[in-house]
Amino acid sequence: GQNIDQPTEMTATEGAIVQINCTYQTSGFNGLFWYQQHAGEAPTFLSYNVLDGLEEKGRFSSVLSRSKGYSYLLLKELQMKDSASYLCAVTDSNYQLIWGAGTKLIIKP
Amino acid sequence: GAVVSQHPSWVICKSGTSVKIECRSLDFQATTMFWYRQFPKQSLMLMATSNEGSKATYEQGVEKDKFLINHASLTLSTLTVTSAHPEDSSFYICSARSGGGEADTQYFGPGTRLTVL
Repeated sequence: GQNIDQPTEMTATEGAIVQINCTYQTSGFNGLFWYQQHAGEAPTFLSYNVLDGLEEKGRFSSVLSRSKGYSYLLLKELQMKDSASYLCAVTDSNYQLIWGAGTKLIIKP
Repeated sequence: GAVVSQHPSWVICKSGTSVKIECRSLDFQATTMFWYRQFPKQSLMLMATSNEGSKATYEQGVEKDKFLINHASLTLSTLTVTSAHPEDSSFYICSARSGGGEADTQYFGPGTRLTVL
Protein backbone atom coordinates (compact mmCIF):
# COMPACT_ATOMS: atom_id res chain seq x y z
CA GLY A 1 0.00 0.00 0.00
CA GLN A 2 0.88 3.65 -0.17
CA ASN A 3 1.97 5.30 3.02
CA ILE A 4 3.38 8.62 4.11
CA ASP A 5 4.49 9.14 7.69
CA GLN A 6 4.98 12.44 9.46
CA PRO A 7 5.03 13.26 13.17
CA THR A 8 1.61 14.35 14.36
CA GLU A 9 2.76 17.36 16.31
CA MET A 10 5.95 19.25 17.10
CA THR A 11 6.75 22.18 19.36
CA ALA A 12 9.55 24.67 18.85
CA THR A 13 10.66 28.05 20.18
CA GLU A 14 10.48 31.34 18.35
CA GLY A 15 13.81 32.10 16.68
CA ALA A 16 14.93 28.48 16.70
CA ILE A 17 15.24 25.88 13.93
CA VAL A 18 12.93 22.91 13.46
CA GLN A 19 13.10 19.90 11.16
CA ILE A 20 9.93 18.11 10.10
CA ASN A 21 10.51 14.63 8.72
CA CYS A 22 8.52 12.71 6.13
CA THR A 23 9.04 9.11 5.09
CA TYR A 24 7.16 7.53 2.25
CA GLN A 25 6.44 4.15 0.69
CA THR A 26 4.65 4.62 -2.62
CA SER A 27 4.25 2.79 -5.89
CA GLY A 28 6.74 4.83 -7.84
CA PHE A 29 7.89 8.37 -7.27
CA ASN A 30 7.46 11.50 -9.36
CA GLY A 31 8.15 14.21 -6.84
CA LEU A 32 7.55 15.30 -3.27
CA PHE A 33 5.76 18.44 -2.17
CA TRP A 34 5.59 20.35 1.07
CA TYR A 35 2.59 22.52 1.81
CA GLN A 36 1.78 24.80 4.74
CA GLN A 37 -1.76 24.96 6.04
CA HIS A 38 -2.90 27.43 8.67
CA ALA A 39 -5.96 26.48 10.70
CA GLY A 40 -9.13 27.08 8.75
CA GLU A 41 -7.31 27.89 5.53
CA ALA A 42 -6.36 26.01 2.38
CA PRO A 43 -2.81 24.69 1.88
CA THR A 44 -0.18 26.88 0.29
CA PHE A 45 2.72 25.50 -1.72
CA LEU A 46 6.14 25.60 -0.07
CA SER A 47 8.51 23.41 -2.05
CA TYR A 48 8.96 20.63 -4.59
CA ASN A 49 11.76 18.06 -4.77
CA VAL A 50 12.15 15.43 -7.44
CA LEU A 51 15.91 14.87 -7.34
CA ASP A 52 18.04 14.16 -4.29
CA GLY A 53 19.28 17.29 -2.65
CA LEU A 54 18.32 20.58 -1.20
CA GLU A 55 15.77 23.18 -2.27
CA GLU A 56 15.94 26.51 -0.46
CA LYS A 57 13.36 29.26 -0.29
CA GLY A 58 14.15 31.92 2.22
CA ARG A 59 13.81 30.55 5.74
CA PHE A 60 12.44 27.24 4.46
CA SER A 61 14.50 24.41 2.97
CA SER A 62 13.52 20.93 1.89
CA VAL A 63 15.78 17.96 1.41
CA LEU A 64 15.03 14.72 -0.43
CA SER A 65 16.70 11.31 -0.37
CA ARG A 66 14.98 9.01 -2.84
CA SER A 67 17.06 5.99 -1.88
CA LYS A 68 15.87 6.33 1.71
CA GLY A 69 12.30 7.34 0.87
CA TYR A 70 12.77 10.35 3.07
CA SER A 71 12.43 14.10 3.05
CA TYR A 72 12.56 16.82 5.63
CA LEU A 73 11.45 20.41 5.81
CA LEU A 74 13.76 22.74 7.69
CA LEU A 75 12.37 25.97 9.08
CA LYS A 76 14.89 28.52 10.34
CA GLU A 77 14.48 31.64 12.47
CA LEU A 78 11.04 30.52 13.50
CA GLN A 79 8.32 33.12 13.78
CA MET A 80 4.99 32.85 15.55
CA LYS A 81 3.23 32.96 12.18
CA ASP A 82 4.94 29.67 11.28
CA SER A 83 2.53 27.91 13.62
CA ALA A 84 0.60 25.75 11.16
CA SER A 85 0.28 22.24 9.82
CA TYR A 86 2.90 21.11 7.34
CA LEU A 87 1.77 18.56 4.79
CA CYS A 88 4.05 16.22 2.89
CA ALA A 89 2.69 14.81 -0.39
CA VAL A 90 4.21 12.43 -2.93
CA THR A 91 3.30 11.95 -6.58
CA ASP A 92 3.33 8.24 -7.37
CA SER A 93 3.90 6.40 -10.65
CA ASN A 94 0.32 7.12 -11.74
CA TYR A 95 0.80 10.79 -10.94
CA GLN A 96 -1.62 10.51 -8.04
CA LEU A 97 -0.80 12.84 -5.18
CA ILE A 98 -0.60 10.89 -1.93
CA TRP A 99 -0.98 13.05 1.17
CA GLY A 100 0.51 12.65 4.60
CA ALA A 101 -1.69 13.49 7.58
CA GLY A 102 0.32 16.61 8.31
CA THR A 103 2.48 17.78 11.18
CA LYS A 104 1.05 20.42 13.47
CA LEU A 105 3.84 22.80 14.43
CA ILE A 106 3.38 24.85 17.59
CA ILE A 107 5.69 27.81 18.09
CA LYS A 108 6.19 29.09 21.60
CA PRO A 109 7.63 32.49 22.52
CA GLY B 1 1.29 33.89 -10.49
CA ALA B 2 -0.66 30.64 -10.05
CA VAL B 3 -3.62 32.11 -8.20
CA VAL B 4 -6.75 30.06 -7.67
CA SER B 5 -9.99 31.55 -6.40
CA GLN B 6 -13.06 29.88 -4.94
CA HIS B 7 -16.55 31.20 -4.45
CA PRO B 8 -18.27 31.36 -2.09
CA SER B 9 -15.84 31.28 0.81
CA TRP B 10 -18.56 30.06 3.13
CA VAL B 11 -22.16 29.00 2.79
CA ILE B 12 -24.91 27.93 5.15
CA CYS B 13 -27.85 26.07 3.68
CA LYS B 14 -30.83 24.03 4.72
CA SER B 15 -30.85 20.27 4.46
CA GLY B 16 -32.08 19.09 1.07
CA THR B 17 -30.91 22.10 -0.91
CA SER B 18 -28.12 22.15 -3.49
CA VAL B 19 -25.00 24.26 -3.29
CA LYS B 20 -22.66 25.20 -6.13
CA ILE B 21 -19.00 26.04 -5.52
CA GLU B 22 -16.88 27.66 -8.20
CA CYS B 23 -13.14 27.25 -8.65
CA ARG B 24 -11.22 29.51 -11.00
CA SER B 25 -7.60 29.68 -12.05
CA LEU B 26 -7.02 33.41 -12.41
CA ASP B 27 -3.71 33.73 -14.21
CA PHE B 28 -3.17 30.37 -15.85
CA GLN B 29 -5.07 27.70 -17.73
CA ALA B 30 -5.72 24.50 -15.87
CA THR B 31 -6.58 21.40 -17.84
CA THR B 32 -6.87 19.53 -14.58
CA MET B 33 -8.48 20.66 -11.35
CA PHE B 34 -8.98 18.71 -8.16
CA TRP B 35 -11.65 18.79 -5.49
CA TYR B 36 -10.81 17.94 -1.90
CA ARG B 37 -12.79 17.71 1.29
CA GLN B 38 -11.31 18.23 4.70
CA PHE B 39 -13.01 17.49 8.00
CA PRO B 40 -11.78 19.20 11.16
CA LYS B 41 -8.35 18.07 12.29
CA GLN B 42 -8.08 15.63 9.40
CA SER B 43 -5.96 15.56 6.29
CA LEU B 44 -7.14 16.45 2.82
CA MET B 45 -9.24 13.82 1.09
CA LEU B 46 -9.34 13.85 -2.69
CA MET B 47 -12.89 13.63 -3.94
CA ALA B 48 -12.44 13.86 -7.69
CA THR B 49 -10.19 14.90 -10.52
CA SER B 50 -11.76 17.26 -13.01
CA ASN B 51 -10.51 17.39 -16.59
CA GLU B 52 -11.60 20.13 -18.96
CA GLY B 53 -14.05 18.88 -21.53
CA SER B 54 -14.49 15.42 -20.06
CA LYS B 55 -16.17 13.67 -17.17
CA ALA B 56 -14.64 13.89 -13.75
CA THR B 57 -12.89 10.93 -12.20
CA TYR B 58 -14.23 10.22 -8.73
CA GLU B 59 -12.39 8.57 -5.88
CA GLN B 60 -13.75 5.41 -4.36
CA GLY B 61 -16.60 6.09 -1.99
CA VAL B 62 -17.51 9.49 -3.44
CA GLU B 63 -21.01 9.57 -4.93
CA LYS B 64 -20.83 11.14 -8.35
CA ASP B 65 -24.56 11.76 -8.46
CA LYS B 66 -24.35 13.72 -5.23
CA PHE B 67 -21.21 15.69 -5.99
CA LEU B 68 -21.59 16.97 -9.54
CA ILE B 69 -18.48 18.34 -11.16
CA ASN B 70 -18.36 20.38 -14.32
CA HIS B 71 -15.13 21.62 -15.88
CA ALA B 72 -16.54 23.82 -18.60
CA SER B 73 -13.42 25.79 -19.47
CA LEU B 74 -9.70 25.85 -18.84
CA THR B 75 -10.18 28.29 -15.99
CA LEU B 76 -13.39 27.15 -14.31
CA SER B 77 -14.56 24.04 -12.52
CA THR B 78 -17.70 23.80 -10.40
CA LEU B 79 -18.72 21.39 -7.67
CA THR B 80 -22.42 21.08 -6.89
CA VAL B 81 -23.41 19.35 -3.69
CA THR B 82 -26.92 18.09 -4.42
CA SER B 83 -29.51 17.51 -1.72
CA ALA B 84 -27.03 18.47 0.97
CA HIS B 85 -27.31 16.94 4.43
CA PRO B 86 -25.61 17.86 7.71
CA GLU B 87 -22.98 15.16 7.21
CA ASP B 88 -21.87 17.02 4.06
CA SER B 89 -20.79 19.94 6.20
CA SER B 90 -17.08 20.28 5.59
CA PHE B 91 -14.31 22.42 4.15
CA TYR B 92 -14.22 21.98 0.38
CA ILE B 93 -11.00 22.96 -1.35
CA CYS B 94 -10.17 22.99 -5.03
CA SER B 95 -6.76 23.00 -6.60
CA ALA B 96 -5.46 23.49 -10.11
CA ARG B 97 -2.35 22.15 -11.72
CA SER B 98 -0.31 25.03 -13.03
CA GLY B 99 1.42 23.27 -15.89
CA GLY B 100 0.56 20.69 -18.49
CA GLY B 101 2.62 18.01 -16.82
CA GLU B 102 1.14 15.48 -14.48
CA ALA B 103 3.83 16.14 -11.89
CA ASP B 104 3.30 19.87 -11.87
CA THR B 105 2.46 21.72 -8.70
CA GLN B 106 -1.10 22.00 -7.49
CA TYR B 107 -2.15 25.41 -6.26
CA PHE B 108 -5.08 25.62 -3.93
CA GLY B 109 -8.07 27.89 -3.77
CA PRO B 110 -8.91 29.43 -0.38
CA GLY B 111 -11.59 26.84 0.32
CA THR B 112 -15.33 26.93 0.91
CA ARG B 113 -16.75 26.15 4.31
CA LEU B 114 -20.13 24.48 3.92
CA THR B 115 -22.53 24.19 6.84
CA VAL B 116 -25.74 22.28 6.28
CA LEU B 117 -28.40 22.85 8.91
